[in-house]
Amino acid sequence: DADVTQTPRNRITKTGKRIMLECSQTKGHDRMYWYRQDPGLGLRLIYYSFDVKDINKGEISDGYSVSRQAQAKFSLSLESAIPNQTALYFCATSDYYSSGGPDTQYFGPGTRLTVL
Amino acid sequence: DAKTTQPNSMESNEEEPVHLPCNHSTISGTDYIHWYRQLPSQGPEYVIHGLTSNVNNRMASLAIAEDRKSSTLILHRATLRDAAVYYCILRDGSYNTDKLIFGTGTRLQVFP
Repeated sequence: DADVTQTPRNRITKTGKRIMLECSQTKGHDRMYWYRQDPGLGLRLIYYSFDVKDINKGEISDGYSVSRQAQAKFSLSLESAIPNQTALYFCATSDYYSSGGPDTQYFGPGTRLTVL
Repeated sequence: DAKTTQPNSMESNEEEPVHLPCNHSTISGTDYIHWYRQLPSQGPEYVIHGLTSNVNNRMASLAIAEDRKSSTLILHRATLRDAAVYYCILRDGSYNTDKLIFGTGTRLQVFP
């Protein structure tokens, strides 16, 4: 079973609809991240969370919100979807070594979202 | 956040070595140099990282300039499976600000 799972894998929705993308991980990591990727571009950070009580905005948080329901679950919501939010969305998890220094980030398979 | 500069694309033949360059002239003392790659239709995957010294692992080698303003990812023998977009990323190693900031990466094509 995959360590980082995302649901749904594909979603088509209409402008103005509310949509939630979910991410679950079995790695036991405290840190979770949401990114979006537009065609031909690198990933851009939307939100990140270092633990259940910690939520931080990334580069492009406008139009998005998140919820960290548990250590293993981190959801991304689009309250009122618009066409320019059509993109590939990735969730990632990471840890931080007690000896100092960040662990690698492990990415999910992605959710392809189309807003019509 | 510190930025990196990479060529948009590179080509290689199978079983030849590949050297992927990255410039990061504004690197700070706490920045780690990370490389991730993204295979077609997949999420990024970790390749290697380093702070000051050269690093080797089963996937690749990382050569870091003495002044840390540039680095090179080395794939010793490219395979078709290595065709991907390679991202060079400066990662702030501080506990409270740890995050990855991706650039546009280098698209590596590998020919049989």
